[in-house]
Amino acid sequence: SQQGEEDPQALSIQEGENATMNCSYKTSINNLQWYRQNSGRGLVHLILIRSNEREKHSGRLRVTLDTSKKSSSLLITASRAADTASYFCATPQTGAQKLVFGQGTRLTINP
Amino acid sequence: EAGVAQSPRYKIIEKRQSVAFWCNPISGHATLYWYQQILGQGPKLLIQFQNNGVVDDSQLPKDRFSAERLKGVDSTLKIQPAKLEDSAVYLCASSLGTSGLNEQFFGPGTRLTVL
Repeated sequence: SQQGEEDPQALSIQEGENATMNCSYKTSINNLQWYRQNSGRGLVHLILIRSNEREKHSGRLRVTLDTSKKSSSLLITASRAADTASYFCATPQTGAQKLVFGQGTRLTINP
Repeated sequence: EAGVAQSPRYKIIEKRQSVAFWCNPISGHATLYWYQQILGQGPKLLIQFQNNGVVDDSQLPKDRFSAERLKGVDSTLKIQPAKLEDSAVYLCASSLGTSGLNEQFFGPGTRLTVL
């Protein structure tokens, strides 16, 4: 099955610093999505990047996709306390119209 | 625009009891999903509906879990009987269109504790 794996599992940085999370997957995909989950809440969609795109921006978020390396990264610039959350990448399961979520990166922003 | 609604938010039951969760998706969203999220893990898809038909239920433990989406709108997920390992957050999500690869909108989840 297709599954993205996030790295690192946990990340702790100071407010104002940049945070980078990575996602690796196994087979060809047509898109990859990133979601955020604050403690005790549901997931919130952040960005969808298609296989023919290399980079996408949304506010302080920057997502890159390298299909040759089968990897994606999520960069959060100028982090804030409110960015403390778990971040998940989701990739399509091979041969199926459904997403598979990774285990997530738990990001903590220290004031 | 109202988001995905779920109830109850929390539920505590004894093992072997039954429990039901309810989900109301965003109006007009054709596809509805139920996920199970165990603490420290990512969401795992249990069942996916397209309108009121099941698209994928390959990871649904059908001996104890059941789900329905009557009239292609609201959905209920039932566990009967519950086991200790069913303790998790149950997330409902919906998406516009019929592809399971579109952006998904999640509800707040129901946290189930089985004692």
